[in-house]
Amino acid sequence: NAGVTQTPKFQVLKTGQSMTLQCAQDMNHEYMSWYRQDPGMGLRLIHYSVGAGITDQGEVPNGYNVSRSTTEDFPLRLLSAAPSQTSVYFCASSMGRVNEQFFGPGTRLTVL
Amino acid sequence: AQRVTQPEKLLSVFKGAPVELKCNYSYSGSPELFWYVQYSRQRLQLLLRHISRESIKGFTADLNKGETSFHLKKPFAQEEDSAMYYCALNRCRNNNDMRFGAGTRLTVKP
Repeated sequence: NAGVTQTPKFQVLKTGQSMTLQCAQDMNHEYMSWYRQDPGMGLRLIHYSVGAGITDQGEVPNGYNVSRSTTEDFPLRLLSAAPSQTSVYFCASSMGRVNEQFFGPGTRLTVL
Repeated sequence: AQRVTQPEKLLSVFKGAPVELKCNYSYSGSPELFWYVQYSRQRLQLLLRHISRESIKGFTADLNKGETSFHLKKPFAQEEDSAMYYCALNRCRNNNDMRFGAGTRLTVKP
């Protein structure tokens, strides 16, 4: 099993550009989440999903969109990138709410 | 609002010394609390969760509802325990809204 995979590993964008961060898991987990990690702030939840077709906002959802058309994939879209979105993004999945979250390797995004 | 506070950004101890990483939370419901760890050049991974009441790698954590704390403890720290530690709270029974603290970087010196 590959576990949780994320692409790309690194990305540089210009302000105003859009892009999609990819996340996939092969563990048949219902729950998936996107976090951003910033120095001194820990991980902050952006969006999460409790199953295909079901998504909800987390702590810092503005500027990001998600969809969950399959159990395996949970892409994160930046509609119009801003320098404030420079961060490391982590995707995670779990079998349920109280179960262990498995994290991807992260995507380091820089917005100029 | 629900919040997880880790008051120490950095913590340094000598090998063999006891270590305690503090975590306080604010949440009006029944919390589900976790400790995650990120070793150098590795992915973030679960260390332990309060519902399991288990000891992992010598670490334990007890939920104290009166003090709203979930401190992580180990009686004898090892150099391989050096890592970033995050306390996390799952705040609602019907969803997966997880909140993390800012993290504590533990360094165990030889």
